Amino acid sequence: RKEVEQDPGPFNVPEGATVAFNCTYSNSASQSFFWYRQDCRKEPKLLMSVYSSGNEDGRFTAQLNRASQYISLLIRDSKLSDSATYLCVVRGGSQGNLIFGKGTKLSVKP
Amino acid sequence: NAGVTQTPKFQVLKTGQSMTLQCAQDMNHEYMSWYRQDPGMGLRLIHYSVGAGITDQGEVPNGYNVSRSTTEDFPLRLLSAAPSQTSVYFCASRDSSTDTQYFGPGTRLTVL
Repeated sequence: RKEVEQDPGPFNVPEGATVAFNCTYSNSASQSFFWYRQDCRKEPKLLMSVYSSGNEDGRFTAQLNRASQYISLLIRDSKLSDSATYLCVVRGGSQGNLIFGKGTKLSVKP
Repeated sequence: NAGVTQTPKFQVLKTGQSMTLQCAQDMNHEYMSWYRQDPGMGLRLIHYSVGAGITDQGEVPNGYNVSRSTTEDFPLRLLSAAPSQTSVYFCASRDSSTDTQYFGPGTRLTVL
């Protein structure tokens, strides 16, 4: 089983749609959880951290379920500019290195 | 504030050549790392460093060396390039106070 698994997509949605991404992780000792965003041919950038209580940043909501080892990202009212690849990231292991999922590609159409 | 910088942006090598990918950060971060990104494989950790003078192997270290003589610089050396090392290489540094990792713009390497 891969350490961090995501649906690769692509998700093709119209502007204004709500879209949800899911991610599972295998190491129950993982310490921190994140969603990164990567635009085409660019470097990954932190979108938001994910907390056990769930957290929201504008149109973005992240949830963590430690018991199920499951992380989600919800994007409401999708914009064209949301088109990117979304990377689920877990920090864990003895050195606390980041482990990346392969990413879910989102394409928002007019 | 330059953040994380990488040079070169693009590089073409022949099999067997060696080269060094440069990485520098000006944020005084202790933790730095190198990843490679290949289609369908995601980002994989090559080497990392938790501070000057300390380096360790990641998931895919074979064929690469690193050193960390200063907090700012973390170069990645390809000893004898192979076509399997064709990839996009990202350097990153991490802010331990916010747990945020910052990436450089990447180096696109092709080995013929």
